[in-house]
Amino acid sequence: EVKLVESGGGLVQPGGSLRLSCATSGFTFTDYYMSWVRQPPGKALEWLGFIRNKANGYTTEYSASVKGRFTISRDNSQSILYLQMNTLRAEDSATYYCARDIYGTWFAYWGQGTLVTVSA
Amino acid sequence: DIQMTQSPASQSASLGESVTITCLASQTIGTWLAWYQQKPGKSPQLLIFAATTLADGVPSRFSGSGSGTKFSFKISSLQAEDFVSYYCQQLYSTPWTFGGGTKLEIK
Repeated sequence: EVKLVESGGGLVQPGGSLRLSCATSGFTFTDYYMSWVRQPPGKALEWLGFIRNKANGYTTEYSASVKGRFTISRDNSQSILYLQMNTLRAEDSATYYCARDIYGTWFAYWGQGTLVTVSA
Repeated sequence: DIQMTQSPASQSASLGESVTITCLASQTIGTWLAWYQQKPGKSPQLLIFAATTLADGVPSRFSGSGSGTKFSFKISSLQAEDFVSYYCQQLYSTPWTFGGGTKLEIK
């Protein structure tokens, strides 16, 4: 069974940093792209970026809204995905989800989400 | 970036009725479109991918159509558990953008 479990969310001050984790199991982690998606309270989903699989060199892509502030990485030995978030702003407050694809693209598996609140 | 314009933002309907949600892409995306359902407080669930293909375990009352820039998502014979939110997403090119969402409400 595929499982994705996010952790690391919480309250952080503007300008601060936070690292989210997504622990995975039930599949060969290195075979898959892994993405982060967020959702502010009551608002729409926003794709943040992904890290490619082993076959594609674990390279990354980001949305413009987080590029340069957020970094996606993976620990393939422990099957954990990370999202390092720096210089956080109030508008980064959201539930953050990790997601895994099927057939190389579609987000068939999602974690339960972890809430990040950026506030003084 | 490709913009996904989803409509309506909300819709009221009755049990047993059919509803259709539309997503318009700002440029052609072929059939690189997915539809997700999201229940309150839960993570999204993939319903349809490649514009028309039903994901495993998804009831046949859900369907998708379209290609290029105009896409539709239909629920036939609404059940009580269908009155939640729905999102489209294009995966033709990064950033993989979502529509603004549609919330279905019981009339």
